[in-house]
Amino acid sequence: SNSVKQTGQITVSEGASVTMNCTYTSTGYPTLFWYVEYPSKPLQLLQRETMENSKNFGGGNIKDKNSPIVKYSVQVSDSAVYYCLLRCHNDMRFGAGTRLTVKP
Amino acid sequence: DTEVTQTPKHLVMGMTNKKSLKCEQHMGHRAMYWYKQKAKKPPELMFVYSYEKLSINESVPSRFSPECPNSSLLNLHLHALQPEDSALYLCASSSSLYTGELFFGEGSRLTVL
Repeated sequence: SNSVKQTGQITVSEGASVTMNCTYTSTGYPTLFWYVEYPSKPLQLLQRETMENSKNFGGGNIKDKNSPIVKYSVQVSDSAVYYCLLRCHNDMRFGAGTRLTVKP
Repeated sequence: DTEVTQTPKHLVMGMTNKKSLKCEQHMGHRAMYWYKQKAKKPPELMFVYSYEKLSINESVPSRFSPECPNSSLLNLHLHALQPEDSALYLCASSSSLYTGELFFGEGSRLTVL
């Protein structure tokens, strides 16, 4: 089965770098997507990572692997909710999301 | 421009009303999705259509009835809803059921009185 976990909240100051983690478990070869949610805007794709060509994940059994997203020199406008989405065959699971707050 | 278009953006309905949410995409995608999103929560998958056939129904109550008239359109018919059904309803599409990113619409915000 598949599962996804994300850190709940992160607060940083403008100009900082921030890493948001997405820890997942999968019995297949998933693709991980990162989406950002701004108020009144569609979810927007930021990044994808495909595992289907990776041979070093124990034959399709992945446990607690992290697929992070890193943002450098963040601005106040980067404040949003960041979701990780795992797709494996016809299973699609969102993480709970990470709320990033950037203080001026 | 938003490539997945949802209408209406806002809908208020009573518990005895019948209404519909509409979704349209012109990217040639063959998989379309309905998600429900409550405040401060991630989207929850409701239905998936692949090649205009219902592929996934995540045990959604029958007061929600999806319809896929053609490869570009997806409807969600609403009847006898409850106040707890108030949420943002998101439509998404992807090139196929098994691969590719999901493209999301802005959503339809539903309030049930």
